[in-house]
Amino acid sequence: AQSVTQLGSHVSVSEGALVLLRCNYSSSVPPYLFWYVQYPNQGLQLLLKYTTGATLVKGINGFEAEFKKSETSFHLTKPSAHMSDAAEYFCAVSEGGGRGSTLGRLYFGRGTQLTVWP
Amino acid sequence: DGGITQSPKYLFRKEGQNVTLSCEQNLNHDAMYWYRQDPGQGLRLIYYSQIVNDFQKGDIAEGYSVSREKKESFPLTVTSAQKNPTAFYLCASSIRQGNHEQYFGPGTRLTVT
Repeated sequence: AQSVTQLGSHVSVSEGALVLLRCNYSSSVPPYLFWYVQYPNQGLQLLLKYTTGATLVKGINGFEAEFKKSETSFHLTKPSAHMSDAAEYFCAVSEGGGRGSTLGRLYFGRGTQLTVWP
Repeated sequence: DGGITQSPKYLFRKEGQNVTLSCEQNLNHDAMYWYRQDPGQGLRLIYYSQIVNDFQKGDIAEGYSVSREKKESFPLTVTSAQKNPTAFYLCASSIRQGNHEQYFGPGTRLTVT
């Protein structure tokens, strides 16, 4: 089974500061990687994903993440935090697989709550 | 608009009662999933279904049951056998099981007293 570790259950930044949310994974095969955001009492919304190709992935709301195979990491960054970025962020990994396979399910980290101070 | 709907948003039940959570999608997705979310524990997979009339247990299936009689519907029943049913339940779907992203519904918060 895959595992996903999000370092830091809570991260606080000032408005305008760099946002860095860390994610490390374990996978025996090349993974697909995802970041989701969740606002209070809502479902999850996809921020960005890495499948193949360019290792620096850009997502919505100014977020981006870089896949580093050697470090088994997929950290999420945003150059300048905004008050509206306050939410919980989840990293997820999906191993290879196709129709009819038990592979390809998503494994989620425990989440990182981002607080943005004015 | 295409999407996933879950109803109701909030649900209250007495201990010992079964309760069914609704999940409907109009995205024409083959695969559907149920997750349970508790504070600080992320999302844990309860059941998933790759195709109509087929479903598999996830990591925490005990005390839950599902059906997949229609492509667009994947209801979850929380039975009285579930020891700690109070949680936030999320339904998701994907084009097919594999490496595609999952789309999530708004969730149902179940409180059992």
